[in-house]
Amino acid sequence: KQEVTQIPAALSVPEGENLVLNCSFTDSAIYNLQWFRQDPGKGLTSLLLIQSSQREQTSGRLNASLDKSSGRSTLYIAASQPGDSATYLCAGPYSGGGADGLTFGKGTHLIIQP
Amino acid sequence: KAGVTQTPRYLIKTRGQQVTLSCSPISGHRSVSWYQQTPGQGLQFLFEYFSETQRNKGNFPGRFSGRQFSNSRSEMNVSTLELGDSALYLCASSVGGSYNSPLHFGNGTRLTVT
Repeated sequence: KQEVTQIPAALSVPEGENLVLNCSFTDSAIYNLQWFRQDPGKGLTSLLLIQSSQREQTSGRLNASLDKSSGRSTLYIAASQPGDSATYLCAGPYSGGGADGLTFGKGTHLIIQP
Repeated sequence: KAGVTQTPRYLIKTRGQQVTLSCSPISGHRSVSWYQQTPGQGLQFLFEYFSETQRNKGNFPGRFSGRQFSNSRSEMNVSTLELGDSALYLCASSVGGSYNSPLHFGNGTRLTVT
């Protein structure tokens, strides 16, 4: 059964800092790993999707890496801004018998202090 | 391009009643999946549909069901509501399913069972 863990659960840093969010998963036979952000009272916004054949993906100030052998992914945020404040979730494939659906971590609640 | 639309945004029901939630995916997306989000359990996969066929189902009781129509719109039904069904229900659409496509989420339906 796929289990996804995110550390830390919460993080507060001053504006301008670079930071790393961590995600670990138990089923290394994943075909992709996705990162999302969720703002209060809203749905999730897809940030990056890393296919199993890739090691990293970049979008603007965001960079996500994937290491299947160690069961880890990291999301790097450069030059953080107050607008980056949100909950960040990673998700791997649900392994309940099919190839569809995602298993989510509990998220990292990020606060960027102005 | 319009995003994923979920209706209604809020619902209050009493125990024993049933409820139907609706989801309109992004135009051109053939996959719709549903998730339940609670403070204790986080995001949990309910089921995923592709071209009107259920491709996978999460570990939820049979009171939770869904369907997808020929225009890709989807509905989720919960019968005999229980207090523990109170949650944010999120719908997500993608081009080909979570296997290889990023998910695009709606803002959810907040269900309160009293």
